[in-house]
Amino acid sequence: QSALTQPPSASGSPGQSVAISCTGTSSDVGGSNYVSWYQHRPGKAPKLMLYEITKRPSGVPDRFSGSKSANTASLTISGLQPEDEADYYCSSYVGGDNVVFGGGTKLTVL
Amino acid sequence: EVQLVESGGGLVKPGGSLRLSCLVSGSTFSNDWMAWVRQAPGKGPEWVGRIKSKSAGGATHYGAPAKGRFTISRDDSRNTVYLQMNTLQNDDTAVYYCTTDLWVWGQGILVIVSS
Repeated sequence: QSALTQPPSASGSPGQSVAISCTGTSSDVGGSNYVSWYQHRPGKAPKLMLYEITKRPSGVPDRFSGSKSANTASLTISGLQPEDEADYYCSSYVGGDNVVFGGGTKLTVL
Repeated sequence: EVQLVESGGGLVKPGGSLRLSCLVSGSTFSNDWMAWVRQAPGKGPEWVGRIKSKSAGGATHYGAPAKGRFTISRDDSRNTVYLQMNTLQNDDTAVYYCTTDLWVWGQGILVIVSS
């Protein structure tokens, strides 16, 4: 069982918005600004989509946004596109040098 | 463009050892903090550990499943980071990913521990 809890699946039609949650505790998500999100398409390397809760690496579309409230972080994808179909994982630093991950959410674009 | 390529995976018997390598290109490797993450079949990723750059002290830190059995090292002259895994157990079976401290990831390498 993963340290952070994500819904196993999410879905949306092209053009819609979808939000994926990542719930931890006050020791990880709730107490950390270092929450990240990754996209993993089959056969590809995982890709960092958001870091430090809301920041996007260069090249990541602004359709991807992040937020956090208490012990739950969220990834929102607006204007869904077919290429967004992938597994999404969250992570959080714990105590400086340790990292915990979520179990992953499979996003289906209908 | 930063690229990471893992190698050295495969099938190993319980109690055996394996060394994974990760060749990094497109970055100033000596400045990179490098990490290993693994993902067992059907599960979420799991932190294996990290090695800091030599300029940052070169310290290593390990996640719980790696402590005492796994060792991360680096060779800056070869742009390569290593994961030495000893006393492997069945539940070490996973895809092992090399990453520049969770920023850029390799495609992963499969390790199967089975008799």
